[in-house]
Amino acid sequence: AQSVAQPEDQVNVAEGNPLTVKCTYSVSGNPYLFWYVQYPNRGLQFLLKYITGDNLVKGSYGFEAEFNKSQTSFHLKKPSALVSDSALYFCAVRDYVFGNEKLTFGTGTRLTIIP
Amino acid sequence: GAGVSQSPSNKVTEKGKDVELRCDPISGHTALYWYRQSLGQGLEFLIYFQGNSAPDKSGLPSDRFSAERTGGSVSTLTIQRTQQEDSAVYLCASSLVALGTGTNSPLHFGNGTRLTVT
Repeated sequence: AQSVAQPEDQVNVAEGNPLTVKCTYSVSGNPYLFWYVQYPNRGLQFLLKYITGDNLVKGSYGFEAEFNKSQTSFHLKKPSALVSDSALYFCAVRDYVFGNEKLTFGTGTRLTIIP
Repeated sequence: GAGVSQSPSNKVTEKGKDVELRCDPISGHTALYWYRQSLGQGLEFLIYFQGNSAPDKSGLPSDRFSAERTGGSVSTLTIQRTQQEDSAVYLCASSLVALGTGTNSPLHFGNGTRLTVT
């Protein structure tokens, strides 16, 4: 079975400060990990993914995420937050088992950047 | 259009009525997913279609829910005898899938259908 946890429902960060949105996962095999963002009144948008290779993955809008196998985590980070980063962020995982195409999402973290 | 299209964008229905939600995926995308987004519940997987393979229906919450995908393109999610707990945003997504090997392709989501059951 595959699952993902986002332990924080809400994260508040001052504009210009670094931000981190946490995600941990559980799979039986190797994970494929994704971050999606949902802006108000808009659909979910793909941010970045980890499949294999370098543990630090860079994505859209200056975001990056670090895969940590020992801690089973895939935290989303950005060095300097913008007010426009305020949105709902979802972490997702897929267990790399042939034929498994199901993507399991976390419950989401609402990020608010304070001017 | 270039993206995933869902209709209607909003649907209000009375308890006990049937509803149909439509999804038009990105042209050429062979994989199609339905998810449900409820307040505070995140995204709940409902059903997955991949080409001509049998769909993965493991996420459908009850036998009142069904979905089909005609001609490998447009999909319809049907909810029979709607209940108030069915109220949610129903999201459709499609992705480009490498046949036979699984995929790392990201999902492209539509804007969803907000269903309200009164």
